[in-house]
Amino acid sequence: GQNIDQPTEMTATEGAIVQINCTYQTSGFNGLFWYQQHAGEAPTFLSYNVLDGLEEKGRFSSFLSRSKGYSYLLLKELQMKDSASYLCAVRGLNSGYALNFGKGTSLLVTP
Amino acid sequence: GAGVSQSPRYKVAKRGQDVALRCDPISGHVSLFWYQQALGQGPEFLTYFQNEAQLDKSGLPSDRFFAERPEGSVSTLKIQRTQQEDSAVYLCASSTGQGAGTEAFFGQGTRLTVV
Repeated sequence: GQNIDQPTEMTATEGAIVQINCTYQTSGFNGLFWYQQHAGEAPTFLSYNVLDGLEEKGRFSSFLSRSKGYSYLLLKELQMKDSASYLCAVRGLNSGYALNFGKGTSLLVTP
Repeated sequence: GAGVSQSPRYKVAKRGQDVALRCDPISGHVSLFWYQQALGQGPEFLTYFQNEAQLDKSGLPSDRFFAERPEGSVSTLKIQRTQQEDSAVYLCASSTGQGAGTEAFFGQGTRLTVV
């Protein structure tokens, strides 16, 4: 099985930087994903890490340490539209690469 | 359409009623997944199809839940004798299934409310 933990809520100011952490315990690891989900909408893909290190994609970066079972999502130059839930998900070794999600971190960006 | 389409968007069912939720995946996507998302929670895996074959149904919460994908494209999730605890958003996702790094594309979900 897999246990995935991330903070429930975070608040940050427009223009700032925020880091959302995710820790996981898994019996089989085949990659870690971050998704963004606005209220009432579909989760949308943000990033994928399978090797240790940092993946940068515009204002968003994601980091992975497999030995520590740890990842973070870094959001820079925060905008109001970044207010959303951020889902950390681990892909196992079976079930057709089904994703196992954490409970999500609700980020509120304030003016 | 270009994305994953689910219908209906909203469904209100009386307790004990049967419901059917539809998912139209992205054309050509081999893998199809159903998830259940309770309010304020992350999506929970229900079941997985590769083409028409249901390869994993370990996440289905009870034998009242049944899913099918008879022709390897459209899928239906059926819930029999709905209970209040079935109230949730049901998300469908599809992917090409080409590798571990392949992202899954999600539909907007069906919000089921059992009253």
